[in-house]
Amino acid sequence: AAGVIQSPRHLIKEKRETATLKCYPIPRHDTVYWYQQGPGQDPQFLISFYEKMQSDKGSIPDRFSAQQFSDYHSELNMSSLELGDSALYFCASSLGSDTQYFGPGTRLTVL
Amino acid sequence: AQSVAQPEDQVNVAEGNPLTVKCTYSVSGNPYLFWYVQYPNRGLQFLLKYITGDNLVKGSYGFEAEFNKSQTSFHLKKPSALVSDSALYFCAVRPRTSGTYKYIFGTGTRLKVLA
Repeated sequence: AAGVIQSPRHLIKEKRETATLKCYPIPRHDTVYWYQQGPGQDPQFLISFYEKMQSDKGSIPDRFSAQQFSDYHSELNMSSLELGDSALYFCASSLGSDTQYFGPGTRLTVL
Repeated sequence: AQSVAQPEDQVNVAEGNPLTVKCTYSVSGNPYLFWYVQYPNRGLQFLLKYITGDNLVKGSYGFEAEFNKSQTSFHLKKPSALVSDSALYFCAVRPRTSGTYKYIFGTGTRLKVLA
């Protein structure tokens, strides 16, 4: 069965640079979520989209923005990167309010 | 504040023995409850969920979980542990609040099954 696809899987950036993470949901899923998991920590909800509209917002820094496109894929844009942004970024998708299925994650390292 | 607690950072169990990974929550209403497993360098894999009905929920790979409303707990169990079950387990809660589907995760419990 098709799963959530995230790209890139690994990303290394310098401080103050920008990064774009992409997420391709499971086909026919209309809701996308972004989570951030720091080293040894639990995933923290950042933001979600339902039918291309922002549906919920969590602890997402103002330096980050995200959107969902007409094909339902989503991109998380991160600017002015800081060392503390180094983490595993997960995307999850669902059909409406149903179970969330997670992608493999993008490991971002900020040097 | 809404929260999910997994009181044990690590659980060690011998292969073949039953295992329990504990989860309690402090979320108003009757939230949806989930368990996910994370293997090294992998994403979170869905194991099972409780929405309503029977307090004992069966999921993937022989796992089950017991919902206890009075104790606001949702403990993960398996009758006979396998070495391959060794991984990081997360309990997650989704409040039944309209307009939000976000999960609140526990801090995770590392399960180590010893051969």
